[in-house]
Amino acid sequence: EPEVTQTPSHQVTQMGQEVILRCVPISNHLYFYWYRQILGQKVEFLVSFYNNEISEKSEIFDDQFSVERPDGSNFTLKIRSTKLEDSAMYFCASSVGTDRYTFGSGTRLTVV
Amino acid sequence: DQQVKQNSPSLSVQEGRISILNCDYTNSMFDYFLWYKKYPAEGPTFLISISSIKDKNEDGRFTVFLNKSAKHLSLHIVPSQPGDSAVYFCAATSNRDDKIIFGKGTRLHILP
Repeated sequence: EPEVTQTPSHQVTQMGQEVILRCVPISNHLYFYWYRQILGQKVEFLVSFYNNEISEKSEIFDDQFSVERPDGSNFTLKIRSTKLEDSAMYFCASSVGTDRYTFGSGTRLTVV
Repeated sequence: DQQVKQNSPSLSVQEGRISILNCDYTNSMFDYFLWYKKYPAEGPTFLISISSIKDKNEDGRFTVFLNKSAKHLSLHIVPSQPGDSAVYFCAATSNRDDKIIFGKGTRLHILP
């Protein structure tokens, strides 16, 4: 069965550095999402992406964050200048419609 | 390989009746199971969990049952209320790994 693939599974980066988290959604899916979960806290919505543009974003998704679907298969989340509080598990998800999501297994980002 | 399966994309239940959401898993290393509830444009919200050493956990209107031999768990909501209409995700994890593996979700409609 098709899966959403996220790489890397664990990323360690220095504060202030740029980081790119990569996701390969399911090929016939149309909606793409990023969520994050800070350790011990709830899973938070970051952004949704449809038709090559952001359809919705949360307050967390400020100017430090950007998303891209550069080549029709990858869906990336870039954090321009990482802060310590960006340390979290980041989940990518995709869907055909606006429910029935398939989540990736996450990338753990550790900012030191 | 879909390790956590929610085979019903949607479920409609009359208000006041019992809602039963089902989930199957394949990985016998999973030792902790969670149910999340999700509204549109929000992250999944933790609802209830169960450790693999138990077969039942109850919290108010929500009860989760675990059948380890069948690799099956279910979420019972009784009585169902209009605010329960949402997408429900089953998820699993193991103490060897910090990844949360989500099912695809089941949309629950509570009918008046």
